[in-house]
Amino acid sequence: GESVGLHLPTLSVQEGDNSIINCAYSNSASDYFIWYKQESGKGPQFIIDIRSNMDKRQGQRVTVLLNKTVKHLSLQIAATQPGDSAVYFCAEKTTGAGSYQLTFGKGTKLSVIP
Amino acid sequence: KAGVTQTPRYLIKTRGQQVTLSCSPISGHRSVSWYQQTPGQGLQFLFEYFSETQRNKGNFPGRFSGRQFSNSRSEMNVSTLELGDSALYLCASSITGTANTEAFFGQGTRLTVV
Repeated sequence: GESVGLHLPTLSVQEGDNSIINCAYSNSASDYFIWYKQESGKGPQFIIDIRSNMDKRQGQRVTVLLNKTVKHLSLQIAATQPGDSAVYFCAEKTTGAGSYQLTFGKGTKLSVIP
Repeated sequence: KAGVTQTPRYLIKTRGQQVTLSCSPISGHRSVSWYQQTPGQGLQFLFEYFSETQRNKGNFPGRFSGRQFSNSRSEMNVSTLELGDSALYLCASSITGTANTEAFFGQGTRLTVV
């Protein structure tokens, strides 16, 4: 899920199929990893997070997988719907000074074909 | 419950001017973070405030500053604007800003520097 400048990687999926969005992260010390969805004209919206001591977490229609060995995070969306069309960002939560900051990946654009 | 409110939504400024952006967090949230989003650099952390104190700061020049008021509302200021400051500025609030708390984003302020 890395981008180059203006050109976000794009994933086109048929409605009803499953989507898998991938992300590589860099900081092994991150406490949490999060997936955000950003629709046009809106701010990022929290989808699901996973703590660094877990390798899988499931939500409603979404599953996040964490592979710390290769520093890889993935988001699986089941039965993708047109409303899932958006840009998806992975983010690492890095703590420090009593708070945290989010370090975002470049994003992947998901297009759902009706 | 009202979400995070950012004002104004859109702003056009001239190089060399300064600008102030405002963020009202969700009621009860005491942590406010700011992020800059550009096509080239993606989402980057600016700073985080809690109880009127800056706890964390990203790698931005001193032209970028912020503050938080006793009611948790926050402002960020950019002085001596440059063309490269054109971006979507996002504010996120969370209850305490600690690692186990979720950040909720506003819709952002779109700043264009001409």
